[in-house]
Amino acid sequence: AQSVTQLDSHVSVSEGTPVLLRCNYSSSYSPSLFWYVQHPNKGLQLLLKYTSAATLVKGINGFEAEFKKSETSFHLTKPSAHMSDAAEYFCVVSEWNNNDMRFGAGTRLTVKP
Amino acid sequence: DTAVSQTPKYLVTQMGNDKSIKCEQNLGHDTMYWYKQDSKKFLKIMFSYNNKELIINETVPNRFSPKSPDKAHLNLHINSLELGDSAVYFCASSPSPGPGTEAFFGQGTRLTVV
Repeated sequence: AQSVTQLDSHVSVSEGTPVLLRCNYSSSYSPSLFWYVQHPNKGLQLLLKYTSAATLVKGINGFEAEFKKSETSFHLTKPSAHMSDAAEYFCVVSEWNNNDMRFGAGTRLTVKP
Repeated sequence: DTAVSQTPKYLVTQMGNDKSIKCEQNLGHDTMYWYKQDSKKFLKIMFSYNNKELIINETVPNRFSPKSPDKAHLNLHINSLELGDSAVYFCASSPSPGPGTEAFFGQGTRLTVV
């Protein structure tokens, strides 16, 4: 079965500096990978997804992620953090043969002024 | 024009009660889900429902039962509520089952059992 590991439970950056949220996945088949964001007391919003097309995926709000099969990674990056980026971020994996989206434990991003 | 809507947003109830959470999607999607988010923010799938096929996560107690009156609705009914059921419950939908199709989530229902 597929699974994801988010390597940092909490990341803190200063406004205007780069963001890196790390995610490693495990999958028996060609996976689809997603990043979702959850702002406080809100639902989950899709940031971007990888579905076996281009390995560098661009999402909303300036975020992007690169699928690296050799490293089984799908790290999320943003060149310059904004205060509004402060939220919980979830890496998610699904496989072609089931409905099950497996969530990572989440990474809380704090952005300091 | 909320795509996936859940009601209520907050629910406080006593142990032993039976309660329901409603979910509706207006996206025309074929598949709907219920997820539970615990106090540590970890999200775990409870059910997925597609074309009248229900797939149940085996760790979900049978006190939890999804009910789908039609393709646009998947309600969650919980019997004999316990303290450990306190969590945020998210409904979601996707166009079809399988990979590559993202899920669209509702705003969540925060259930507190006292």
